[in-house]
Amino acid sequence: QKEVEQNSGPLSVPEGAIASLNCTYSDRGSQSFFWYRQYSGKSPELIMFIYSNGDKEDGRFTAQLNKASQYVSLLIRDSQPSDSATYLCAVIPSGGSYIPTFGRGTSLIVHP
Amino acid sequence: DGGITQSPKYLFRKEGQNVTLSCEQNLNHDAMYWYRQDPGQGLRLIYYSQIVNDFQKGDIAEGYSVSREKKESFPLTVTSAQKNPTAFYLCASGSRLGTDTQYFGPGTRLTVL
Repeated sequence: QKEVEQNSGPLSVPEGAIASLNCTYSDRGSQSFFWYRQYSGKSPELIMFIYSNGDKEDGRFTAQLNKASQYVSLLIRDSQPSDSATYLCAVIPSGGSYIPTFGRGTSLIVHP
Repeated sequence: DGGITQSPKYLFRKEGQNVTLSCEQNLNHDAMYWYRQDPGQGLRLIYYSQIVNDFQKGDIAEGYSVSREKKESFPLTVTSAQKNPTAFYLCASGSRLGTDTQYFGPGTRLTVL
């Protein structure tokens, strides 16, 4: 069973701080990695995807991928109360099925 | 205005009833998916389809059925064989199976009375 692990949280950070969300995966051959944000009662929305080792930045969001250590992170700079949500990590494993495996998500709370 | 629509938003089912959840997309995506989400849980794959008239079981297909007669539509039927159907159901689509991102519909919340 190919697994994707996330700390369920909640992760609580003050407004303006950097929030760091982590995700580890078991399949070393995984190629594609996604971060989704899900507000309570709503459907997931894509924040970022990353395919290559290193950092990828988009506005206040930075995804970091380390394939050797099998983890992917999402950093949120200048966190705002509107960032309070559950963040889902999704990984497309090797093997040719191309079906993403989702983590259970990390709940983030940004307090004023 | 492109996107994925799901209906209804809320659905109530009596014991022993079959119900069908609608999912429509106008993004011209080939792949479509159905997920189930329970409180505090991640997304679990029910069924997926890569092309019209073809679909595959996911991790928790028992008690569910689907059809893919049109590219735009991928309805999910929750049958009476599904013993614990109360959950949030999410439909998603993608332009190429797995190699592109998934886009989600707004979801249907099903409650068994």
